[in-house]
Amino acid sequence: NAGVTQTPKFQVLKTGQSMTLQCAQDMNHEYMSWYRQDPGMGLRLIHYSVGAGITDQGEVPNGYNVSRSTTEDFPLRLLSAAPSQTSVYFCASSSWADSNQPQHFGDGTRLSIL
Amino acid sequence: SQQGEEDPQALSIQEGENATMNCSYKTSINNLQWYRQNSGRGLVHLILIRSNEREKHSGRLRVTLDTSKKSSSLLITASRAADTASYFCATDRSGNTGKLIFGQGTTLQVKP
Repeated sequence: NAGVTQTPKFQVLKTGQSMTLQCAQDMNHEYMSWYRQDPGMGLRLIHYSVGAGITDQGEVPNGYNVSRSTTEDFPLRLLSAAPSQTSVYFCASSSWADSNQPQHFGDGTRLSIL
Repeated sequence: SQQGEEDPQALSIQEGENATMNCSYKTSINNLQWYRQNSGRGLVHLILIRSNEREKHSGRLRVTLDTSKKSSSLLITASRAADTASYFCATDRSGNTGKLIFGQGTTLQVKP
């Protein structure tokens, strides 16, 4: 069982570069989310999706774009990387069937912006 | 803003002792969830407790929820070195949205 797969695991960017963090899940989950984790801050929600074609903003959406063309994939795009976006990024998914379902997390992408 | 505040921020105990972590939150919730994160890894779900439940058990884990005080606690009994990790509470305020609000976490060290 692959679960939630994130790629790449590590990435170093220069300020102003753009990139896409990939997230895929094989559990047919409707919900997918992106969080960032900074030291001492816990996880903060960036964007989320309740199904293909539907996305919405979370707590810290600025500087990020998402799209959801399929149930399986939920990529996160950094439009113009800034040092403040240095963080660990986690993708998560969960099922619609029951409102009380836990989220399944990927192992994260560690991103450094120079 | 963070919904959950966790206490203590760090906890160090000996193997075999019990570990208690507390979580407070600000708004009404649909459920509260506890996750574990080992160093360099993603979060692993431990227990979900619904707003109409007061206590839940899973193996050596016991979670309580007091909605009147807007607080929850996670008790790990007979701790092991392998329990060394960070523990996070997360609240789901409205259900069916996939939007969790996380606390800042408690770092637990269990010494062999």
